[in-house]
Amino acid sequence: EVQLVESGGGLVQPGGSLRLSCAASGFTFSSCAMTWVRQAPGKGLEWVSTISDNGINTYYADSVKGRFTISRDNSKNTLYLQMNSLGVEDTAIYYCARTAGGSGYLPVDYWGQGTLVTVSS
Amino acid sequence: DIVMTQSPDSLAVSLGERATINCKSSQSVLYSSNNKNYLAWYQQKPGQPPRLLIYWASTRESGVPDRFSGSGSGTDFTLTISSLQAEDVAVYYCQQYYSLPFIFGPGTKVDIK
Repeated sequence: EVQLVESGGGLVQPGGSLRLSCAASGFTFSSCAMTWVRQAPGKGLEWVSTISDNGINTYYADSVKGRFTISRDNSKNTLYLQMNSLGVEDTAIYYCARTAGGSGYLPVDYWGQGTLVTVSS
Repeated sequence: DIVMTQSPDSLAVSLGERATINCKSSQSVLYSSNNKNYLAWYQQKPGQPPRLLIYWASTRESGVPDRFSGSGSGTDFTLTISSLQAEDVAVYYCQQYYSLPFIFGPGTKVDIK
């Protein structure tokens, strides 16, 4: 059974940093691209970032480019999202999601339960 | 960037009746080399993460009831629930994965009339 478990969310002050993690199990992690999607309270889904299966290719939404860094450790079956210079507009549930293949140009087929990031003073 | 729009914003349908949701992309998401539309549909129930329903515009994900179907090509797509059930109350999103950024539509809320 595919499982994606996010951690690392919480309350952070504007300008602060946070690192999200996603522990994956139940599939061959190193064969799948991985994606972060966020959802602000009461709002729709926003694609944030995708990383290819081997970690070489990374893609970002303009809203986070230069502030967020996606990475992965295939030896630990773990996906990360380093978030710097956080603003109140980054407040959201952050979902870790599996892309249905090695590249990013595929749908997301499994989602974690999400971790809440709140940026507030 | 490709802009995704959905209509209507919300709809209420009687149990057992058909629900139709439209999604439009500002550019074609049909990749000519493989003749595939890079378009997916997701369902999100309250308090839950999204769930993949349809990919390649019309391929149903494993385990998805056959009352859900997707159609369309190029820039215009439709998600149809042929006979609405109580458990289908949710917000439905389309998403293009043809080009970066992989934008989601704004969502359509489906309720019971």
